[in-house]
Amino acid sequence: GAGVSQSPRYKVAKRGQDVALRCDPISGHVSLFWYQQALGQGPEFLTYFQNEAQLDKSGLPSDRFFAERPEGSVSTLKIQRTQQEDSAVYLCASSLLVGRSPLHFGNGTRLTVT
Amino acid sequence: AQTVTQSQPEMSVQEAETVTLSCTYDTSENNYYLFWYKQPPSRQMILVIRQEAYKQQNATENRFSVNFQKAAKSFSLKISDSQLGDTAMYFCAFMKLSQGGSEKLVFGKGTKLTVNP
Repeated sequence: GAGVSQSPRYKVAKRGQDVALRCDPISGHVSLFWYQQALGQGPEFLTYFQNEAQLDKSGLPSDRFFAERPEGSVSTLKIQRTQQEDSAVYLCASSLLVGRSPLHFGNGTRLTVT
Repeated sequence: AQTVTQSQPEMSVQEAETVTLSCTYDTSENNYYLFWYKQPPSRQMILVIRQEAYKQQNATENRFSVNFQKAAKSFSLKISDSQLGDTAMYFCAFMKLSQGGSEKLVFGKGTKLTVNP
């Protein structure tokens, strides 16, 4: 596609439900990042993939957060047993090469946990 | 750990005038990139301008330019001839250069810029 695509655009979940957020990066992009952006804040790093390998997951806030990119293209961020503090915009970004090449961001998924 | 500080939560400017957004950062690294991103209500982060720390010359992109002061760890964004379409959140971001590892961005909290007609 022309850009990074994320779905759904909006998600409302009841506390305790599991959610799955999808990211379709630009075709051929090697690097893929997930960021969490709380209301009124800047994005914060969650995790990084190089192709299918998850090389850095140091930003995942708890073991309820899990990300995968099994075939090195589409990625899914899963949040189990959602809590109110998980409410945020989740941004996905991809780049063509490893390091130094421009990051392309998607429009994000706004998750609201009630 | 790196930190990025944007001390102006909100700014406003009249159309066609010039505005400067401030950013300071803290790092012990010597090789890094600095960025300004624009985030309109669509939520997509759009790269405005990028500066390599090893370059002394300030980056410019059309109406956008930076004042990079490495010793002071300051990286301000100047927008000339402001346009209504410049209204957005602006984020300053830092990226440490590494050998093939994840080069994640560290963002500031943002400045909300409003351009008034």
